[in-house]
Amino acid sequence: GQNIDQPTEMTATEGAIVQINCTYQTSGFNGLFWYQQHAGEAPTFLSYNVLDGLEEKGRFSSFLSRSKGYSYLLLKELQMKDSASYLCAVRVLSGGYNKLIFGAGTRLAVHP
Amino acid sequence: NAGVTQTPKFRVLKTGQSMTLLCAQDMNHEYMYWYRQDPGMGLRLIHYSVGEGTTAKGEVPDGYNVSRLKKQNFLLGLESAAPSQTSVYFCASSYQGISNQPQHFGDGTRLSIL
Repeated sequence: GQNIDQPTEMTATEGAIVQINCTYQTSGFNGLFWYQQHAGEAPTFLSYNVLDGLEEKGRFSSFLSRSKGYSYLLLKELQMKDSASYLCAVRVLSGGYNKLIFGAGTRLAVHP
Repeated sequence: NAGVTQTPKFRVLKTGQSMTLLCAQDMNHEYMYWYRQDPGMGLRLIHYSVGEGTTAKGEVPDGYNVSRLKKQNFLLGLESAAPSQTSVYFCASSYQGISNQPQHFGDGTRLSIL
C-alpha cells in the first residue's frame, strides 16, 4: 500500500524556525514534492527532492532520506503569510506512468 | 499567462443531476489530472491523462468519467451526482512527469451535492 504521514497541525511564532516532517511507505519512489496551500486556494509548488540531502531555496529548505522514508520541510524567519497547509507528495511509478501520492497536509499557524 | 483554469468555481447540484467540470491549460503540458480534496484527507487522484485522446483511472474513479479530446482541455463528468461527491475538485497539469517539473494546479471547483 501507499502511506504518507504528516502531523495534522503545528503552531509557530513569527520570526522563528519550524520543521514539518513527512514519512512515507510507498511501492517505488521517484521523487518527493512539497506544496503550499493557503485556505481556499490551489496548491503551489515549493520544493523537490529525488536524491538524499538538503535542497535550499531562500527561506525554505527540504531534506530527504530515502533509506528512512523521511523528508522534512524547514521554514526559516517565519512570516504571518506562511500560515497555510503544507502538503508532502511522493511520486511513484504505477501502471507505467508517474503519479503523485499526497499526504493529508500539515496546517501551520504562525502567531505574532 | 493563465496557467490552469477551472470552470465553474462553485456549483450546487441535487442528487442524481449530472454536470461537467472543465479544465484548460495553456502550458502545452502532456499530462493532466483530476483530484478531489476532502477534509482530513490528502488530494486523491480520480482520473488522469498522459496525452490527447488518452485517459486512465486513478485512485478513486468510481462515479466519474473524463475525456481529453484536445491537448489543452480535460473534462470531468459526474453522470449521476451523489452526496458523497461533495468535495473540492482540483485539476493539474505537468510535463511528461519524469523530471523535476511539478504539477501546476487550478484554483479548484467547490461542488456541493444536496
